[in-house]
Amino acid sequence: KAGVTQTPRYLIKTRGQQVTLSCSPISGHRSVSWYQQTPGQGLQFLFEYFSETQRNKGNFPGRFSGRQFSNSRSEMNVSTLELGDSALYLCASSNAGTSNYNEQFFGPGTRLTVL
Amino acid sequence: DQQVKQNSPSLSVQEGRISILNCDYTNSMFDYFLWYKKYPAEGPTFLISISSIKDKNEDGRFTVFLNKSAKHLSLHIVPSQPGDSAVYFCAASAQNQGGKLIFGQGTELSVKP
Repeated sequence: KAGVTQTPRYLIKTRGQQVTLSCSPISGHRSVSWYQQTPGQGLQFLFEYFSETQRNKGNFPGRFSGRQFSNSRSEMNVSTLELGDSALYLCASSNAGTSNYNEQFFGPGTRLTVL
Repeated sequence: DQQVKQNSPSLSVQEGRISILNCDYTNSMFDYFLWYKKYPAEGPTFLISISSIKDKNEDGRFTVFLNKSAKHLSLHIVPSQPGDSAVYFCAASAQNQGGKLIFGQGTELSVKP
């Protein structure tokens, strides 16, 4: 099976712009979660989508949003970019349904730099 | 509030010896724990997991131990190999929130030949 893919891999934006990142989960996986990794804060959970519905949400401002399509592919959007949004954005998928005990498999990430 | 803590930022071990990475948690609602390995500029790679109904899980050279009363888990790698050098993250999820992993800050393991 192909792994989780994320596009683009690298992105440079300026403050105030908005950005959309894309994630294709492992085939058959219906849950997609997004994380932000920064040197200061580590890996932090953004949100999770399951069957096109946001199921869990982390403590990020409303500028961070996401969605999931019927084929389980997911996008996340960051509006009005700030310098502090520079980070590695990671997407993970799992075949979690109602069971809690499912491993998440990560993509390679999108490195976002905000200038 | 750091719910998952890895207090050792780094660990250096000789090849062939045991590596022990530690992780503490504070949230008693956590019932599933995972270890990931990460190289720079790559996504984390799943290593091993354990549910709260168990106290040990083994997979090849990797063993995870869970001590629920102490809210502590550890990852043992035996024998350690230079290719194991990476950052290791401990993660936890709460019941009915399997899609939301809370990560520790990571421990950088260096295995020296």
